[in-house]
Amino acid sequence: QKEVEQNSGPLSVPEGAIASLNCTYSDRVSQSFFWYRQYSGKSPELIMSIYSNGDKEDGRFTAQLNKASQYVSLLIRDSQPSDSATYLCAVTDSGGYQKVTFGTGTKLQVIP
Amino acid sequence: DTAVSQTPKYLVTQMGNDKSIKCEQNLGHDTMYWYKQDSKKFLKIMFSYNNKELIINETVPNRFSPKSPDKAHLNLHINSLELGDSAVYFCASSLSGSADTQYFGPGTRLTVL
Repeated sequence: QKEVEQNSGPLSVPEGAIASLNCTYSDRVSQSFFWYRQYSGKSPELIMSIYSNGDKEDGRFTAQLNKASQYVSLLIRDSQPSDSATYLCAVTDSGGYQKVTFGTGTKLQVIP
Repeated sequence: DTAVSQTPKYLVTQMGNDKSIKCEQNLGHDTMYWYKQDSKKFLKIMFSYNNKELIINETVPNRFSPKSPDKAHLNLHINSLELGDSAVYFCASSLSGSADTQYFGPGTRLTVL
């Protein structure tokens, strides 16, 4: 059973701080990695995708991928109360149709 | 201009009933999905279709039957509803496969009494 693991939180950070969200995955040959944000009562929406080792930055968000350690993270700089949500890590497997497996999500609370 | 739409948004029904959820996307995507999100917020894929062809069929009771009349529509029919079927069901679509960004519908909250 291929797994994607996240700390469920809640992770509480003060406004303006850096929030660090972590995810590990079990399938060594996973190919595509995603971070989705889900507000309470809403549907998931994509924040970042990353496909190769290293960092990828988009505004206040940075995704980091380390395939050797089977680890992907999301950093949110200058955290805002509007960033308070559940962050879902998603990983595609190596199969022909690349099934996506989601983690259980980390709830982030940004304290004003 | 809704990209992925689902109907109904809420569904409350009795055990043993049969119900359907409809999904439509106007993004021109080739691949559509059904996910189930339980009370612990775990999002699990159920089915995936690519150009009307079933490509992913997870371990789901055969009471659940998806149907894709065309690549813009993916419906989910559930027979003999059980208490454990209560969840939020999300439809999603992506351009060509799971390596692409998935766009989710607003969800259908199913409550089985």
